Amino acid sequence: DQQVKQNSPSLSVQEGRISILNCDYTNSMFDYFLWYKKYPAEGPTFLISISSIKDKNEDGRFTVFLNKSAKHLSLHIVPSQPGDSAVYFCAGNGAGSYQLTFGKGTKLSVIP
Amino acid sequence: GAGVSQTPSNKVTEKGKYVELRCDPISGHTALYWYRQSLGQGPEFLIYFQGTGAADDSGLPNDRFFAVRPEGSVSTLKIQRTERGDSAVYLCASSLLGGAGEQYFGPGTRLTVT
Repeated sequence: DQQVKQNSPSLSVQEGRISILNCDYTNSMFDYFLWYKKYPAEGPTFLISISSIKDKNEDGRFTVFLNKSAKHLSLHIVPSQPGDSAVYFCAGNGAGSYQLTFGKGTKLSVIP
Repeated sequence: GAGVSQTPSNKVTEKGKYVELRCDPISGHTALYWYRQSLGQGPEFLIYFQGTGAADDSGLPNDRFFAVRPEGSVSTLKIQRTERGDSAVYLCASSLLGGAGEQYFGPGTRLTVT
């Protein structure tokens, strides 16, 4: 049973436009969510996080939105740049458990 | 500063052999985690250390897998009697403290069992 779902395996966006990556979760015990970015042959790199007490967190071009009632979060990248092309993973962490539970990832391609 | 390092970067072994994978966490990080990533999947949790002790090993798939962190820094993941299904990228991560918060990943060790 997948507790974190990223239903879009891939996404293509024109350079300069907004990229929106979506993530759904089923475990209501999750109280902290993270987005990681992964280039080929490298480990995941932390991008941005959000606590369940917030509904939005912003860091430069990256904003994460959390809708707890819908158990949904999204990552917005504005404006998208070719260097943003990578696989993006959503992860949840909850209530005394230190492990991160990851989705399968979404491959973002930003077209120049 | 130095990030998480893992050695070797690639390991090819024959079915039935024993392998050891090493992780050097970020200096000063007390928490260390091992994950496994199979093709087309996200990383899956294996084990978490707080200091020298394994605080949560619920993700280890079976008793062929074992990990140690004897001095609270470097960790070694050990796999006995390897099987082809063990082929994956093994990722190590560390964080300053345990609990909610960012974990910093190494580049991984790609294990191939032939």
